[in-house]
Amino acid sequence: GQNIDQPTEMTATEGAIVQINCTYQTSGFNGLFWYQQHAGEAPTFLSYNVLDGLEEKGRFSSFLSRSKGYSYLLLKELQMKDSASYLCAVLIYNQGGKLIFGQGTELSVKP
Amino acid sequence: EPEVTQTPSHQVTQMGQEVILRCVPISNHLYFYWYRQILGQKVEFLVSFYNNEISEKSEIFDDQFSVERPDGSNFTLKIRSTKLEDSAMYFCASSEYRDRGDEQYFGPGTRLTVT
Repeated sequence: GQNIDQPTEMTATEGAIVQINCTYQTSGFNGLFWYQQHAGEAPTFLSYNVLDGLEEKGRFSSFLSRSKGYSYLLLKELQMKDSASYLCAVLIYNQGGKLIFGQGTELSVKP
Repeated sequence: EPEVTQTPSHQVTQMGQEVILRCVPISNHLYFYWYRQILGQKVEFLVSFYNNEISEKSEIFDDQFSVERPDGSNFTLKIRSTKLEDSAMYFCASSEYRDRGDEQYFGPGTRLTVT
């Protein structure tokens, strides 16, 4: 079975830092993606990790530990527009690549 | 920047009717996908497609569903006899590779409402 867990919702203050955690247990692993999704819109790509460690991309960083089945997304200098759902997804390649998504973490940024 | 497009943006249909959702993937991409998201739930994989064949499909993708690449640009999802529970947002995605870190680019989605 495939299991990807992330907190349902989080609240943070504008200008602060927030860390969104994701744990996974999947039948395969070819990388972990983080997507941002605003209500009623498509997921948009934020970051990708396939090796252990930290990947930094502007205000966003993502960390992966494959041995622990754990990742986090770090958002710095939060802005109101960062209020959205953040989706953790594992890429699994068998015959074809597919993304297995977690439930998503609804982040509310308050002034 | 190239993007995946989908039509229509919203489709309303009656239970039992056939619907076809259309997608135009990014032109140099070779791998195509359909996902769905029921309101308030997670994004779910339906099917992946490469070289005019289904590469993989989920349990959701039963005999009521089919995909096709009728020409060099379009990629379609057909639901033969819609059910109430098919109401969802359907996202098409495409990627240049399937097993590397290349991101899957998502289209804006088609909201399907079955009444």
